[in-house]
Amino acid sequence: DAGITQSPRHKVTETGTPVTLRCHQTENHRYMYWYRQDPGHGLRLIHYSYGVKDTDKGEVSDGYSVSRSKTEDFLLTLESATSSQTSVYFCAISRQGAVGNTIYFGEGSWLTVV
Amino acid sequence: TQLLEQSPQFLSIQEGENLTVYCNSSSVFSSLQWYRQEPGEGPVLLVTVVTGGEVKKLKRLTFQFGDARKDSSLHITAAQTGDTGLYLCAGVYGNNRLAFGKGNQVVVIP
Repeated sequence: DAGITQSPRHKVTETGTPVTLRCHQTENHRYMYWYRQDPGHGLRLIHYSYGVKDTDKGEVSDGYSVSRSKTEDFLLTLESATSSQTSVYFCAISRQGAVGNTIYFGEGSWLTVV
Repeated sequence: TQLLEQSPQFLSIQEGENLTVYCNSSSVFSSLQWYRQEPGEGPVLLVTVVTGGEVKKLKRLTFQFGDARKDSSLHITAAQTGDTGLYLCAGVYGNNRLAFGKGNQVVVIP
């Protein structure tokens, strides 16, 4: 357990509405990530953060923004949700270990855009 | 883009049989991780391999990292129904990021 909590766990929203997913961690890790997982595509990195107010884009960042105003929270926002953003979203943290950094995932947020 | 190809995509075997799945890339990674994911849950880390040629064992699971650190394999001995799941490999690169393969879906039939 890496102390990651995602909210909401499930959400149905309408096309064009804004949506924010929250990732909260309790272990003060510097690196946090947002991934989406879709059939046929696997897990793809949306955005990541390497510190408070330090974020960068991943491979599928279009249509998403993030914010990290404090270490423990990493927010993912869909400014205007589209049906193509229906997916499972996973937050992750990176923990330094004996064999280098290891990434641990939250339980996921299921988002349906109708 | 760091590409990781996993094969086979889907594998169904009888309980007690052995199986091997593969993760291949043209890129070199500083380390490679294997995860198992069950429906409705997030991926759970099984192992991290760092050194080329490294072999790690986790009970009936044996993980090998290729000498050139571009590929890996996962071998399961005497598979059990609890081994059913999606096995994901991921390579660590750049600024502490992971690139994932699409996974090996393993189904163990009782």
